[in-house]
Amino acid sequence: GAGVSQSPSNKVTEKGKDVELRCDPISGHTALYWYRQSLGQGLEFLIYFQGNSAPDKSGLPSDRFSAERTGGSVSTLTIQRTQQEDSAVYLCASSLAPPGGFLFSPLHFGNGTRLTVT
Amino acid sequence: AQSVTQPDIHITVSEGASLELRCNYSYGATPYLFWYVQSPGQGLQLLLKYFSGDTLVQGIKGFEAEFKRSQSSFNLRKPSVHWSDAAEYFCAVGGNTDKLIFGTGTRLQVFP
Repeated sequence: GAGVSQSPSNKVTEKGKDVELRCDPISGHTALYWYRQSLGQGLEFLIYFQGNSAPDKSGLPSDRFSAERTGGSVSTLTIQRTQQEDSAVYLCASSLAPPGGFLFSPLHFGNGTRLTVT
Repeated sequence: AQSVTQPDIHITVSEGASLELRCNYSYGATPYLFWYVQSPGQGLQLLLKYFSGDTLVQGIKGFEAEFKRSQSSFNLRKPSVHWSDAAEYFCAVGGNTDKLIFGTGTRLQVFP
């Protein structure tokens, strides 16, 4: 079946512009994560959606970053007034259940969006 | 706070040698621990997980990991490394309904 789909795959934007990154998780997956991967920083947690619970936004680096998940499915990560340090690969992942949930399923990662801020 | 430390940024081993990748975690409740691998140009794949029970867990591709609560560690091991194991390895910790936090990763290079 279809995996996690992210779009665009690449995005080049000018400093100060806003960008929207999209994630289509696997159908039926209740958990959805956004991570940022940059050289030497590993996988930096940004935000976590679990079912109908309030999202865990504790990883968002500044108020320029926001994310929403509509209808428990598609998610959009928005970065306002982009800065050069925002350049990274933004990864979305989904799973059937929370990490320790009874119905364990591993995280399924998308191929990411490579964001370059010039 | 929930965190993962992978102290080795880069490790180089010869093919056929044994391997141990270190992982230390900080978590206030019962941790659920994972190792993921990211091969060049590919997405992340789950190697193994620990929830409870036997502290030595087996995973795919001949990997195993041992949970040591007293040391807050979950080190990944393989008795004999293959060239195809060259990749980046990420340790992660989560909770029952808590988010999954990853370490900064260890890049493994394998020499023939």
